[in-house]
Amino acid sequence: DARVTQTPRHKVTEMGQEVTMRCQPILGHNTVFWYRQTMMQGLELLAYFRNRAPLDDSGMPKDRFSAEMPDATLATLKIQPSEPRDSAVYFCASIDRVNTGELFFGEGSRLTVL
Amino acid sequence: QKEVEQNSGPLSVPEGAIASLNCTYSDRGSQSFFWYRQYSGKSPELIMSIYSNGDKEDGRFTAQLNKASQYVSLLIRDSQPSDSATYLCAVYGSGGYNKLIFGAGTRLAVHP
Repeated sequence: DARVTQTPRHKVTEMGQEVTMRCQPILGHNTVFWYRQTMMQGLELLAYFRNRAPLDDSGMPKDRFSAEMPDATLATLKIQPSEPRDSAVYFCASIDRVNTGELFFGEGSRLTVL
Repeated sequence: QKEVEQNSGPLSVPEGAIASLNCTYSDRGSQSFFWYRQYSGKSPELIMSIYSNGDKEDGRFTAQLNKASQYVSLLIRDSQPSDSATYLCAVYGSGGYNKLIFGAGTRLAVHP
């Protein structure tokens, strides 16, 4: 059963700490998205990659967030230093062809920054 | 103006009724439109896609698209309590890289 895998599922940390979230897309999917979801803002697109190359990270606060895809099976989202306003659920999603819209979402990483 | 707008709800309908969910988008060049369903505490899942003007039916769900009005809707017939969830409208923009933008979602509550 192919699925997008995200770790950690839950993370509680203190302000100022570094947080790294990981995503394993479905094998063969070449486009990976990072979204952040909060009650106030809904699902916000942070960044996305195609064939491991970053295509758009305009939704991401550049001073503290970074996203990478070191290989085809791993995408990472790092926050350093973390702030309470970063508390949210972070979703990774992948698709095999652009414009089908059939995003396959991971279960999300729920981040709480105290 | 947000790129994809939805009424946040909650939309409350009785079991067996038709639920109508609406979405407008700002990019006139958008070509692909989607409805995702998200249960509380879960990740979004795709329920409908539509690419051409008109209606597309799949079981109890009908998606409607009007590109001239930049409007897309989802009708759920014979609503069931299990349909209670947040429904997210998503649109691929016409700009470079074709990023998928989501609306904030409409919360639907189907009461027995």
